[in-house]
Amino acid sequence: GNSVTQMEGPVTLSEEAFLTINCTYTATGYPSLFWYVQYPGEGLQLLLKATKADDKGSNKGFEATYRKETTSFHLEKGSVQVSDSAVYFCALTQGAGGTSYGKLTFGQGTILTVHP
Amino acid sequence: DTEVTQTPKHLVMGMTNKKSLKCEQHMGHRAMYWYKQKAKKPPELMFVYSYEKLSINESVPSRFSPECPNSSLLNLHLHALQPEDSALYLCASSQDLDIGGSPLHFGNGTRLTVT
Repeated sequence: GNSVTQMEGPVTLSEEAFLTINCTYTATGYPSLFWYVQYPGEGLQLLLKATKADDKGSNKGFEATYRKETTSFHLEKGSVQVSDSAVYFCALTQGAGGTSYGKLTFGQGTILTVHP
Repeated sequence: DTEVTQTPKHLVMGMTNKKSLKCEQHMGHRAMYWYKQKAKKPPELMFVYSYEKLSINESVPSRFSPECPNSSLLNLHLHALQPEDSALYLCASSQDLDIGGSPLHFGNGTRLTVT
């Protein structure tokens, strides 16, 4: 079946530090890949996505590249802010015909805390 | 502001109570979802409606009963819950089941406590 593995957290950084959160996946075919972010007391928000190999998703200074050869979708940001403190989830879904159509498979989440 | 609205924000109920969670979206989406999220864990899919028909039931206990009265509304009826059902219940919607092309939009959830 499908699975997503994220780096263990929590991650604690100082403001303006470089961020990497690793994400690797197992899936058949060509899944679509996502990063969702959950701020305290809120639901999940889509941060970025990529739907095919070598696509780069980007939003709010965050980037992730779909690497099929390494089955990875690592999240990066060059300079984090205190307001980026949140839980980050890597996720995947398969297209029509796949057994997980309409379903998201989530990683376990990574808690990020950014200090001033 | 989220475009998926959930009410109530917080709910405390006893094990013999009956209550309902409500979810509304006005984005014209035709797929709607219920997820359950325990603290420090990812969301777990419970139910999916597509074009107002139940499409996916992830073997959820019958004390949880979903309802989709129309394309904009989704309810989750609760009866005889257990304390371990305490969690954040998230509603989401998407254009259709092709969530690779049209990703999920989540509400802010209902924090449920079962006493």
